[in-house]
Amino acid sequence: NAGVTQTPKFQVLKTGQSMTLQCAQDMNHNSMYWYRQDPGMGLRLIYYSASEGTTDKGEVPNGYNVSRLNKREFSLRLESAAPSQTSVYFCASRRTGGDGYTFGSGTRLTVV
Amino acid sequence: KQEVTQIPAALSVPEGENLVLNCSFTDSAIYNLQWFRQDPGKGLTSLLLIQSSQREQTSGRLNASLDKSSGRSTLYIAASQPGDSATYLCAVRPGGGGSNYKLTFGKGTLLTVNP
Repeated sequence: NAGVTQTPKFQVLKTGQSMTLQCAQDMNHNSMYWYRQDPGMGLRLIYYSASEGTTDKGEVPNGYNVSRLNKREFSLRLESAAPSQTSVYFCASRRTGGDGYTFGSGTRLTVV
Repeated sequence: KQEVTQIPAALSVPEGENLVLNCSFTDSAIYNLQWFRQDPGKGLTSLLLIQSSQREQTSGRLNASLDKSSGRSTLYIAASQPGDSATYLCAVRPGGGGSNYKLTFGKGTLLTVNP
């Protein structure tokens, strides 16, 4: 099925470790987004990419970096993981000029 | 800064009941409003999207309304079923140019429909 694929689905990191969350979409969408979801906080935008080759900060970008590798892929990197980054991370995409957002199934990250 | 509030935070109803979920937003300059469903441990599924110029949208047993001037939207679920149990999220996309790609989400309403 077409959609947004996130890997891994689960990950446990030790404080200070680094990792990259992968996201790929096969719908030829131009815009891609990374959100985090925390209890009592709702979903908050970390970074987004309006089109291939561009990235911009969202509401909570500190501690993260992103790469829009090509039109399909948008990765999120934690250089030095902290317990405060324990969360569920969602990637989403949207067609230029379109209104609907398609979300991936999420990556559950625990930093100990 | 746009803020989106959803009331109630949790709702438990018996099967068959009609129910209303509420969403309010502080900045009425929105482009559209979207309702999502999230099942436990899963991603978000889009249910209904209402453009700022529209008053309502319907899909099956779901009806979403929008009163932009008052900053309110409601999601009406008719004849609720246990399969409707999930968290329902409301999100607004800002109007205007520039960084209008970003959705602002409410914290959601956790709905439980009891058989």
